[in-house]
Amino acid sequence: NAGVTQTPKFQVLKTGQSMTLQCAQDMNHNSMYWYRQDPGMGLRLIYYSASEGTTDKGEVPNGYNVSRLNKREFSLRLESAAPSQTSVYFCASRFQGEEKLFFGSGTQLSVL
Amino acid sequence: GENVEQHPSTLSVQEGDSAVIKCTYSDSASNYFPWYKQELGKRPQLIIDIRSNVGEKKDQRIAVTLNKTAKHFSLHITETQPEDSAVYFCAATAGGSYIPTFGRGTSLIVHP
Repeated sequence: NAGVTQTPKFQVLKTGQSMTLQCAQDMNHNSMYWYRQDPGMGLRLIYYSASEGTTDKGEVPNGYNVSRLNKREFSLRLESAAPSQTSVYFCASRFQGEEKLFFGSGTQLSVL
Repeated sequence: GENVEQHPSTLSVQEGDSAVIKCTYSDSASNYFPWYKQELGKRPQLIIDIRSNVGEKKDQRIAVTLNKTAKHFSLHITETQPEDSAVYFCAATAGGSYIPTFGRGTSLIVHP
């Protein structure tokens, strides 16, 4: 099992460009999450998907969209990147009825 | 919504000393309190957790305590080792939501 896989690992964008961060899990988990991590700010929830076909906004959803493509995949899209979106992005997943989150290895995004 | 405060932001100790990281939460409905460890450049990983019906839990050199009345919980690491150096995040989850709110993190540095 690969666990939670994120691509790409690193990305540099110019202001206004768009991109999609990919996340896939092979643990048959129902719920998936996108967090951003900024220095001194901890992990802040961007979007959450309780199950295939459902998505909900988290604490910091502005400037992002998500797609729960199927049970395995949950993508995060930046339509028009801004420097304030420079961050490390983590995808996570959880098995139904359990609390433990499994994180991917992260995507380091820089917006110039 | 839930608000989790974590202190200190940085903790420096000598190898063999004990380390304590403290968190407070605001939502009395929170009933699950995990701790995640993030080594430099790695993904966060769950190291220990506690539920609201338990006051203390131990796992080898780490322990967590919970004071529901004060809405306060702590991570205790005894006999610290250099490999304990990492960022530690506390979190609180309201019953049934499965959406943890994270503290801002504590950078623990263990000097050999």
